[in-house]
Parts: sequence; structure tokens; C-alpha cells
Amino acid sequence: EVQLVESGGGLVQPGGSLRLSCAASGFSFSSYWMSWVRQAPGKGLEWVANIKQNGSEKYYVDSVKGRFTISRDNAKNSLYLQMNRLRDEDTAVYFCARDGGVAVGTNYYYYGMDVWGQGTTVTVSS
Amino acid sequence: SYELTQPPSVSVSPGQTARITCSGDALSKQYAYWYQQKPGQAPVLMISKDSERPSGIPERFSGSSSGTTVTLTISAVQAEDEGDYYCQSADSSGTWVFGGGTKLTVL
Repeated sequence: EVQLVESGGGLVQPGGSLRLSCAASGFSFSSYWMSWVRQAPGKGLEWVANIKQNGSEKYYVDSVKGRFTISRDNAKNSLYLQMNRLRDEDTAVYFCARDGGVAVGTNYYYYGMDVWGQGTTVTVSS
Repeated sequence: SYELTQPPSVSVSPGQTARITCSGDALSKQYAYWYQQKPGQAPVLMISKDSERPSGIPERFSGSSSGTTVTLTISAVQAEDEGDYYCQSADSSGTWVFGGGTKLTVL
């Protein structure tokens, strides 16, 4: 079964740090780009970051640049999000998602975020 | 920053057709993707690359594109289609952006 399972959420004070993990199973993890997407309470989806198959390219939404770092360990089929200098507005459910696509040569033919985890809750509050 | 604009809400009666729009300056050059999210659940990919339906998605869901607006159409709406719908596309730097979401209510 294709599956993503997030962990690592919790309550943290403003200015603190947290590391989220996402364990992948049932598919060739190293073949796919991966994303983190968050959803603040009662709000819409916000893409946070994504990372290329081999980790050589990483992209972030402006609001987390310099504070969050996305990484992956293909040997462990795992995706991570290191979150530093957390702010109240980072409070959200954080989903990991597979950036579905087909790699042909150097091109990645994207077809959408086709696999999602159940999410892990991050609460930033004093 | 780049924005995708969706109506906050759409209401339809069962059996009618629901249309949810998503507008953005780059949509004439970038594909759009549609997701359905029900309360307490993760999103589900419903439409890929403007109009392609992934395996397992009912045929009543379809997508189209015209200029800078993409549309998700749900024909013969059923009660189970109620939920939030989000469009997604890329901005000029190639990073992802989601629309604000549309709450579909089945009356």
C-alpha cells in the first residue's frame, strides 16, 4: 500500500524549533519530488517546500525561507522538515505529499500531489 | 506574490451541475490541478493538468481551461461531493501556489 506517515508535531514556544518526519512506503521514494503543505486552523492549503529526488534542488515559500529546511534520506525512505525560529503563524497541520510525476531524462513530467499523509499538528504558542 | 482566486463558496442542489472557477495570470501558461478535501481528511487529487482525471476519480468530475481561468465542473452533484476544493498551479519561479479554496455545499 502506498503510504505517507508524518510525525514530530507538537506544542512549541515562539522562537523554538521542531523537526517533522514523513515515512514513505509502498513506492520508490527516491524516484519522486516531495512536498510539505500546511493548513492553519480553519484556513486553506499553503505549499511550504519541496525537494528533488536526489535532494539537489529545494524550494520554499517566501514566509519560511531562512527558517525552515527540507531534506530527505532516500536510504530510509524519509522526508524531513526542520523548522527553526517558529512563529505563531506557523501553527498548522503539516502534510507531506508526493509530487507525482514521471522522470524522463532530465525532465520531470508532473501530474499533481497524488499521495498525502494524514498530517501532523504543530502549535506555536507561549 | 502570485495569487490564484477562487470563489469562497458554491451551493448546488443534488443532481445539478457545480462549477468552481480559479483565476490567475499565469494559468494560460501553467497547468492547474484540483484537490478535494473533506473535514479532518487529507486532500485528494481530483484533476491533473487542467483536465485529466486520475484513476479512481468519478467521471462526473471534469476540468477545463480558458485563458487565465480554469474550471472544475461536477456534473450530477451528489451529497458526498460536499467539501472544500482547491486549485493549484505554479508561479513564475516554478514554485507551487494554492487557491484560497471553495466550499461546496450540497443543498
